[in-house]
Amino acid sequence: QVHLQESGPGQVKPSETLSLTCSVSGGSIGSYYWSWIRQPPGKGLEWIGYISNSGTINYNPSLKSRVTMSVDTSKNQFSLNLDSVTAADTAVYYCSRSWGPSDYWGQGTLVTVSS
Amino acid sequence: EVLMTQSPASLSVSPGESATLSCRASESLSINLAWYQQKPGQAPRLLIYGASTRATGVPVRFSGSGSGTEFTLAISSLQSEDSAFYYCQQYNYWPTFGQGTRLEIK
Repeated sequence: QVHLQESGPGQVKPSETLSLTCSVSGGSIGSYYWSWIRQPPGKGLEWIGYISNSGTINYNPSLKSRVTMSVDTSKNQFSLNLDSVTAADTAVYYCSRSWGPSDYWGQGTLVTVSS
Repeated sequence: EVLMTQSPASLSVSPGESATLSCRASESLSINLAWYQQKPGQAPRLLIYGASTRATGVPVRFSGSGSGTEFTLAISSLQSEDSAFYYCQQYNYWPTFGQGTRLEIK
């Protein structure tokens, strides 16, 4: 059973960088795409981007200028950096395994942008 | 961006009855459409992919249909545990989600 767990600060100041890591257990990070998806409080789901261990990356065009994703296969982890955050980036951030749809998800972590 | 429109926005149904949720895409998706169930405080759970294939462990009460731009999620013999938000998601292009349908079992 694949298990994903997000980790990172629960609060980030405006204009700073949001950094999260997703640790994958119960399976290798190879052979799949790995995604970040977010959900503002009380709202719907938004795909941020996905990455494969071979280096294929695709970002949401609306966030592309601020997003960087990376994979660390030695640690079975992948990461998200979102630059220049504002209050509009306050959301629950999920990591997931994606091969089209997402079949395994982390529990999500709430990140609040506030000074 | 492919726009996904779900209807209705909310639905209230009695236990044992059936519910039909709709999802319309702004462009043809073939069958690259998934459905998710999300309960409060939980991550989404994949129910259906490929428009009609149930994910592992999903009860047969859940069925998906459609292709192109029109898709449907049908849930029969509704139970209290089916109360949740349901989202469709296309993955034929850059992934996008519908705005969700809130299903209440009254």
